[in-house]
Amino acid sequence: GAVVSQHPSWVICKSGTSVKIECRSLDFQATTMFWYRQFPKQSLMLMATSNEGSKATYEQGVEKDKFLINHASLTLSTLTVTSAHPEDSSFYICSATGASGSGDTQYFGPGTRLTVL
Amino acid sequence: DQQVKQNSPSLSVQEGRISILNCDYTNSMFDYFLWYKKYPAEGPTFLISISSIKDKNEDGRFTVFLNKSAKHLSLHIVPSQPGDSAVYFCAASEGAVKLIFGTGTRLQVFP
Repeated sequence: GAVVSQHPSWVICKSGTSVKIECRSLDFQATTMFWYRQFPKQSLMLMATSNEGSKATYEQGVEKDKFLINHASLTLSTLTVTSAHPEDSSFYICSATGASGSGDTQYFGPGTRLTVL
Repeated sequence: DQQVKQNSPSLSVQEGRISILNCDYTNSMFDYFLWYKKYPAEGPTFLISISSIKDKNEDGRFTVFLNKSAKHLSLHIVPSQPGDSAVYFCAASEGAVKLIFGTGTRLQVFP
């Protein structure tokens, strides 16, 4: 149980285009979903927290107009990187809480590798 | 300001021996701590957690120790196995919501 999927697993795009990443909780309803970014050899950095049906809460320094988060249902959250640039190239990982019996433990998706040319 | 620190970027241990991974934190308000295991190009996998009301939690080969006065936690893996080779992240939170991750320790278990 407590499986989180992400799609796509990797994406390459041209500078200036927008990219959408999906995060799904497959076997539980996620009360909260989180989006992280990890640069090579660095820690996971929280970008934003989202609850179903409400606006995401962004961490300091994260541009909300650039990283659009939609949490339309209890099993799906999307992150859209708008007008992507090479510096946005990173590993994006989502997580979700709400698995039965697991309290607030965050379960992570497999991540999405974004490369912006 | 790195609130959660893993000062050892790497650790090499022989199979069958104990692996000890360390983590220090600065925020005394943290009340929930977790360890995650991560392979390259994959998301972290939850291993074990501990709340601040405890000083030890054990799950199979994995034991987490918490020393609140020292603001230090450690993960013990006994016995270590080659399949344990991965990057281990400790994470801390206040109110079990927002996780702050350490920089990770790469564990290599050799035969």
